[in-house]
Amino acid sequence: QQQVKQSPQSLIVQKGGISIINCAYENTAFDYFPWYQQFPGKGPALLIAIRPDVSEKKEGRFTISFNKSAKQFSLHIMDSQPGDSATYFCAASMDNQKVTFGTGTKLQVIP
Amino acid sequence: DAGVIQSPRHEVTEMGQEVTLRCKPISGHNSLFWYRQTMMRGLELLIYFNNNVPIDDSGMPEDRFSAKMPNASFSTLKIQPSEPRDSAVYFCASSLGRGEAFFGQGTRLTVV
Repeated sequence: QQQVKQSPQSLIVQKGGISIINCAYENTAFDYFPWYQQFPGKGPALLIAIRPDVSEKKEGRFTISFNKSAKQFSLHIMDSQPGDSATYFCAASMDNQKVTFGTGTKLQVIP
Repeated sequence: DAGVIQSPRHEVTEMGQEVTLRCKPISGHNSLFWYRQTMMRGLELLIYFNNNVPIDDSGMPEDRFSAKMPNASFSTLKIQPSEPRDSAVYFCASSLGRGEAFFGQGTRLTVV
């Protein structure tokens, strides 16, 4: 059972553009929604996270938008750079419980 | 802190052999996770421990897979006997239980 659905599977964006990755979850008990960034040959690394009591969180060029009623959340990367090229995973968890990952989005930012 | 440490980084073994992957979590973290990553199936949670106790092993694919956490600073994932379809990158991650998982560099396993 896929509890966190992620789209698109891959994304190509021009340098300076906005990258948008979407996720939807099913379990309303989830209370923590992190995004992970993975470069080739490396493990996923926590990028930014949000709790459901806020609708948006921004850190630099990265923003999470959260819609609790729709059970959806998204990652926006503003002014996308070639160095942002990586695979991005959304995830969801509850305290002291396992982190459930989406299927990943491979982002390529072209100059 | 050096982060989550996994060994070996690469492992090539013959079908039927026993493989043991090792993980040292971040000191003070109380949750430990083993994940497998493949192109076809993405990131799959195999098992996770909380305070050294296995909580959910429903992701362990077969009885050939076993995991132990004898103390708070060490865990192993064993595959016996190994098969070619076990070839993947295996990640260990640890957490303070708030949902933030810190991953190791992974072990790339190739079974020939």
